[in-house]
Order: sequence, then structure tokens, then C-alpha cells
Amino acid sequence: DTGVSQDPRHKITKRGQNVTFRCDPISEHNRLYWYRQTLGQGPEFLTYFQNEAQLEKSRLLSDRFSAERPKGSFSTLEIQRTEQGDSAMYLCASSHRDRAGNTIYFGEGSWLTVV
Amino acid sequence: AQTVTQSQPEMSVQEAETVTLSCTYDTSESDYYLFWYKQPPSRQMILVIRQEAYKQQNATENRFSVNFQKAAKSFSLKISDSQLGDAAMYFCAYGTGGFKTIFGAGTRLFVKA
Repeated sequence: DTGVSQDPRHKITKRGQNVTFRCDPISEHNRLYWYRQTLGQGPEFLTYFQNEAQLEKSRLLSDRFSAERPKGSFSTLEIQRTEQGDSAMYLCASSHRDRAGNTIYFGEGSWLTVV
Repeated sequence: AQTVTQSQPEMSVQEAETVTLSCTYDTSESDYYLFWYKQPPSRQMILVIRQEAYKQQNATENRFSVNFQKAAKSFSLKISDSQLGDAAMYFCAYGTGGFKTIFGAGTRLFVKA
């Protein structure tokens, strides 16, 4: 069990640029999540995949955000035309639907700074 | 809608002492799960302990234990024999076994040597 991995760990970008984050979940997990966390706050749900299907998106996820999980394996989160308000930690997590109350396991996060 | 409230933004404990972090939640469901996660300064969120609502017995994991009061919708975390490595943000979370897990705002725990 190698855990959830995320890349890059840190990204600094200029306002208006596009950024993409990648997440590799725990291999046998069929659910994958993206959360956003700002300093001093708990994680906020953004979106969720079961296998390759994106089944839920938060209202926090504006049209500039898009997430994919081709073939139900790794996932990408793209932010287009970044704004300073997008600066946050983007956390990926995974779980197995039928195990342990759907306990989710997090990656180390991708920290985005928009300047 | 389900909510999770952590009323203590910060807590402090002396090394080797015991500290209790509070959490309350609101739900109309009868079957659910509650979690405590730890987020050290390195920022990876780690599961500390999990409680199934249908179980009356409080969960324990080594120095970590919970006091689950279902009727009061209270789920506190007790850390015994506190260690310097326990210093972190602690998040209480709620889930129904469905896809969504809801987190509280967190409690920052300081451990004094």
C-alpha cells in the first residue's frame, strides 16, 4: 500500500495562467476526491469520482476548474485562468466504497500560490 | 444539512499530560461514522481514530481514545501521555459511508516540553 501521491507538491504561478495537479490514489481504491484547504480551515469538498465517473461537484468548483479520472486510475485537476483567490492547498484523497465506512486517505497535498 | 463544529481553535498541553479535544456534529441520520484526523506541520492528513455510530463502545488506538455521546451528538478525542509529536491540527469529521466526508474547522494542539 503505497498511499496517495500528489504532484507537484508546490506550484507558484502568475495570475491568468493554467495549472494542473495530478493525483495517484491507493491502487485498490475505487473512489477519488479533491478537497481544497486554506490556512486555518478544514478541507472543503470539491469533487468526487467513483471509478472513472465524476459523480459529484461542489458549487465551489467554478467553470475554471475541471477534473478528470481517465480509466479510473490517476486523476488530474486543472485550474484555468488562475486568480489569487485560488491560492490554497489542493488535497487528493481516496477510499474504497465498501470498506471501513468509506474512510478516506489523503495525499500530502499540492500547494498553489497565485501571484 | 450535516455540520461539524470544533469550538476550540487552539489547545495546549504539557508533555506527558492528557488533553481532550471537543467536537459536536449535527445530523438526522442514525447510521454514520466519525473520524479524527491529524495534520502535522508537514501537512499530510493522517487518520487517528474512527468510530462507527452503531457501536456503543468507544474506540481506542493506543494513547488516543474517544468519548462518543450519540444522543448529545458529541465526539471528543482524548490524548493521553501527550508527546511532542502530537503537536498538530486535529480535524473532526463525519461521514455516512457515502461519498461525502465533512470536516470541522480544526483545533491546533500545542505540546509544551
